[in-house]
Amino acid sequence: DAGVIQSPRHEVTEMGQEVTLRCKPISGHDYLFWYRQTMMRGLELLIYFNNNVPIDDSGMPEDRFSAKMPNASFSTLKIQPSEPRDSAVYFCASSLRDRTYGYTFGSGTRLTVV
Amino acid sequence: DQQVKQNSPSLSVQEGRISILNCDYTNSMFDYFLWYKKYPAEGPTFLISISSIKDKNEDGRFTVFLNKSAKHLSLHIVPSQPGDSAVYFCAATPKTSYDKVIFGPGTSLSVIP
Repeated sequence: DAGVIQSPRHEVTEMGQEVTLRCKPISGHDYLFWYRQTMMRGLELLIYFNNNVPIDDSGMPEDRFSAKMPNASFSTLKIQPSEPRDSAVYFCASSLRDRTYGYTFGSGTRLTVV
Repeated sequence: DQQVKQNSPSLSVQEGRISILNCDYTNSMFDYFLWYKKYPAEGPTFLISISSIKDKNEDGRFTVFLNKSAKHLSLHIVPSQPGDSAVYFCAATPKTSYDKVIFGPGTSLSVIP
C-alpha cells in the first residue's frame, strides 16, 4: 500500500485565492482526519469523517474552511478566501475503527499564503 | 487550553543512553494514549500506545509508562540511537469521543553519536 497520499506537497498562493488540498486515504480505512500543524498551536484536529460522513468539524477555524469526502478514496480541504494566517502544514490521516494501531498520516501539504 | 502537555520542547541524549520523554494531561476522560514520532518533511508515524487499564507497555526499545493518579505518562527509549532523533508527540483519546486524538506540542529529541 502506498500509504496516505496528499497533494500538493507545497502550495504558495496569494491572499484571497482559493486553495484546495487533496487526500487519498489507505484503502479499507473508514476514518479520515484533517490536521493542521503550526508552531503556535501544534497539531490541531480540524475535521474528521467516518465512512465518508463528517462527524466532528468543531476544529474548523472559520467558514472559510470546508472539507468534503465524496467517496471512500478521496477527500478535499478547501480554504476560500485564503489568508496569511492560514499558512501551516496540513496533514491528512486515515485509520481503522480499532485505535490500537493509531493513525497513518500523509506527508502533509505545506501551505504558504503571501 | 492545552489538554495534553509536553513541557520539554527539546531533549539531547548521548547515543546508547536512555531517553525519557514526558507528557502530562489534564482531561480525566482520556483513556487511551499514544506516542508518535515525526521526521522533518514527513507525517507523524505511530510508535506505541497504552490503554488506561495498564501502567506499562513495551515494544522493543520503546516502553511507555502511565501513572493515572498523576495524569502523567512517559516514553523510554533504551538504548537511544541517532535514528531516534525526531519530534515525539504524545497523544490521547477520550472515552466520550473514541475517534478523536488530541496531540501534545511535541518534544524534539536529538541523539548525539
